Amino acid sequence: KNQVEQSPQSLIILEGKNCTLQCNYTVSPFSNLRWYKQDTGRGPVSLTIMTFSENTKSNGRYTATLDADTKQSSLHITASQLSDSASYICVVSGAYNTDKLIFGTGTRLQVFP
Amino acid sequence: DGGITQSPKYLFRKEGQNVTLSCEQNLNHDAMYWYRQDPGQGLRLIYYSQIVNDFQKGDIAEGYSVSREKKESFPLTVTSAQKNPTAFYLCASSIKWKGSNQPQHFGDGTRLSIL
Repeated sequence: KNQVEQSPQSLIILEGKNCTLQCNYTVSPFSNLRWYKQDTGRGPVSLTIMTFSENTKSNGRYTATLDADTKQSSLHITASQLSDSASYICVVSGAYNTDKLIFGTGTRLQVFP
Repeated sequence: DGGITQSPKYLFRKEGQNVTLSCEQNLNHDAMYWYRQDPGQGLRLIYYSQIVNDFQKGDIAEGYSVSREKKESFPLTVTSAQKNPTAFYLCASSIKWKGSNQPQHFGDGTRLSIL
């Protein structure tokens, strides 16, 4: 069964600190992987997208890595800000039906001053 | 500014009532999608449409209906047959990316509750 699992479920850090969120998936064959940021009560916003041939992609203070061999991805947030408080969702697309995405349940990040 | 507009932001449904959630986009995207988000679960696909006057069922289409009469509009009706409609509903649209349509832009959602 195609699944996307994220850890931790929730995370609390202090402003200015770095953190790393994890995503493991079983989708095979694999097409691409996205990370979304979702603020409370809002829709998700795409942060990065990586195909199987890419192993890192940055968007400002956000850096995503991908290991297609171990089916793992991580999202690293550098020098966290209060505005980083949100849910971060990992989404994987399989190669056979690229229009249907498999969503993880997200990591809820809270940044405190 | 281009984007996706969902309305209303909050909606309440009485027993036995059908309600319609609006989704409009001015991004000129061909494909549009409806997702349902429940606490502790990933987004689940209800319906999607890749072109005007055509749409396909997603993973949880029972109790829902859609129409796609215009490129910019993709309304979702939650019928009385949907016994557990309380959720956050998200509309999305997409352009072709590397040969496939994948949701790239989301609206800000409609929260539906039962009275």
